[in-house]
Amino acid sequence: DADVTQTPRNRITKTGKRIMLECSQTKGHDRMYWYRQDPGLGLRLIYYSFDVKDINKGEISDGYSVSRQAQAKFSLSLESAIPNQTALYFCATSDLGGWDGAFFGQGTRLTVV
Amino acid sequence: QKEVEQNSGPLSVPEGAIASLNCTYSDRGSQSFFWYRQYSGKSPELIMSIYSNGDQEDGRFTAQLNKASQYVSLLIRDSQPSDSATYLCAVIRGGSNYKLTFGKGTLLTVNP
Repeated sequence: DADVTQTPRNRITKTGKRIMLECSQTKGHDRMYWYRQDPGLGLRLIYYSFDVKDINKGEISDGYSVSRQAQAKFSLSLESAIPNQTALYFCATSDLGGWDGAFFGQGTRLTVV
Repeated sequence: QKEVEQNSGPLSVPEGAIASLNCTYSDRGSQSFFWYRQYSGKSPELIMSIYSNGDQEDGRFTAQLNKASQYVSLLIRDSQPSDSATYLCAVIRGGSNYKLTFGKGTLLTVNP
């Protein structure tokens, strides 16, 4: 089983719908991240959390919200999906110091029609 | 100035050649440096980490760091078609202003 698991892996949703992407990890890491990846734009940070009580906005948080339900779970919500949120979304984790880099889930391909 | 810059490529090399991938970063407070490999439609996979000036070798991969020049490179020796992927450079600034920043990646194609 993957150390960082994302669900769903693929999702097609309609404009205006609320959707939640879930991430769980078994690495025991404190830090968790949500990124989106678009062709030509690379990985962009949406939100990150250093522990259950600490949540921070990344560079592109507008239109998104997150919930850190437990050390191992970090969910990303799109409150009212729009087509330009169509992208590949990745959850990642790192240890407390972050010195060993980040480890990624398999990704969720989201299409908003 | 972008925080982490890479040539987008594509970089094309013949099988068996050395592929050289480069990355520059702007934050002199950066302390840890990483290379990730990402196959199309897949998640980034950490392949190399380097923390101090000099070279770090792991099999066919060598990461090189020059903090004075704010430059990180990845050499892939004896390139194989299976090395064809996008390579992402990532940089960490630690402390109270901790930040993990990725470059946009360089697409490498190894031709048989």
